[in-house]
Amino acid sequence: AQSVTQPDIHITVSEGASLELRCNYSYGATPYLFWYVQSPGQGLQLLLKYFSGDTLVQGIKGFEAEFKRSQSSFNLRKPSVHWSDAAEYFCAVHGGATNKLIFGTGTLLAVQP
Amino acid sequence: DVKVTQSSRYLVKRTGEKVFLECVQDMDHENMFWYRQDPGLGLRLIYFSYDVKMKEKGDIPEGYSVSREKKERFSLILESASTNQTSMYLCASSFPAELYEQYFGPGTRLTVT
Repeated sequence: AQSVTQPDIHITVSEGASLELRCNYSYGATPYLFWYVQSPGQGLQLLLKYFSGDTLVQGIKGFEAEFKRSQSSFNLRKPSVHWSDAAEYFCAVHGGATNKLIFGTGTLLAVQP
Repeated sequence: DVKVTQSSRYLVKRTGEKVFLECVQDMDHENMFWYRQDPGLGLRLIYFSYDVKMKEKGDIPEGYSVSREKKERFSLILESASTNQTSMYLCASSFPAELYEQYFGPGTRLTVT
């Protein structure tokens, strides 16, 4: 069965520092992968997605993610974090023959001034 | 821009009450979804719908039902609310041609006392 693991529940970084949020997936075929962000009190907003092709994908708000098949990973990165990036981040994988998305448990990002 | 709206941001109900959560999308999407979000558990799919009057159970359908009489509207029904249904409820929609990208509403925080 498809699954997504986000090993870090909570991460704190300083403003201006680089960021990497980890995501590992389990899926038999080529996965469709997504990163969503949820700001406090808001719904989820799509940051970026990977379907095929170039393994480094660019998203909104300066985020990027790299698909590594050998490691079953799709880590989210940002070179310089802004205070407004404080939010919860969810990785998701498309769940096979249905239109379902399988979500990870999320990583809560705090940004220190 | 796709807009997904939910009828209430906050809702307080008593145990045993029948609760309706409404979701409306304005982009003519075929697919609509209801999730619940709990700390440490991420998003879990309750029900989804591929078309009007079509519905399928997700991962945690017990205690819930849904209704989709019009394409733009997808309702989640708690037949007899219980305290363990206190949660954040998120509605989403998607268009099949957009390869599973889902658009989310702002969420309804339901408290059952």
